[in-house]
Amino acid sequence: GDSVTQMEGPVTLSEEAFLTINCTYTATGYPSLFWYVQYPGEGLQLLLKATKADDKGSNKGFEATYRKETTSFHLEKGSVQVSDSAVYFCALSPTGTASKLTFGTGTRLQVTL
Amino acid sequence: DTAVSQTPKYLVTQMGNDKSIKCEQNLGHDTMYWYKQDSKKFLKIMFSYNNKELIINETVPNRFSPKSPDKAHLNLHINSLELGDSAVYFCASSPGLAASTDTQYFGPGTRLTVL
Repeated sequence: GDSVTQMEGPVTLSEEAFLTINCTYTATGYPSLFWYVQYPGEGLQLLLKATKADDKGSNKGFEATYRKETTSFHLEKGSVQVSDSAVYFCALSPTGTASKLTFGTGTRLQVTL
Repeated sequence: DTAVSQTPKYLVTQMGNDKSIKCEQNLGHDTMYWYKQDSKKFLKIMFSYNNKELIINETVPNRFSPKSPDKAHLNLHINSLELGDSAVYFCASSPGLAASTDTQYFGPGTRLTVL
């Protein structure tokens, strides 16, 4: 079945450091790929998405590129802020009409001053 | 104005009890979902309804019964609660079924603790 693998956290960075959170997936066909963010005590929010190979999703300084050849969708940000501290989830939805997100296990990011 | 709301936010109960969690969305969406997030933050879909019809039913014990009285509401009833049901339950909604274009919006979650 479909699956998503994320790097284990927590990831601890100083403010203004470069962030990479790795995500790889297993799926048939051409799934859509997503990054969701969960701030403490809140529900998940869509951060960015990409729906076909080589697409780049971007939002709030975060970016991720859909790499079909490596089945990856790594999340990057050039300069993190304390306010970026949260849990980040990579997810996919298979091709087809039924919207069904399969999530990775989440990666906790802690940014310190 | 909360887009996807859930009640209650916290629920503490004894094993064997029956409880319900309610979800409402005011976004005019056609599709609603229930997800379970366990203690390790692993998030898994349980059910999905589209226009009040069940379209996704993952491998969930039949003690869990979703009910959608109208498009704006999707409630989750759990019978004979077990320790393993302790988790955070998230409701979500989306305009339709196309994952590539129909973003899912999540509620704040309901933390269920079974003692």
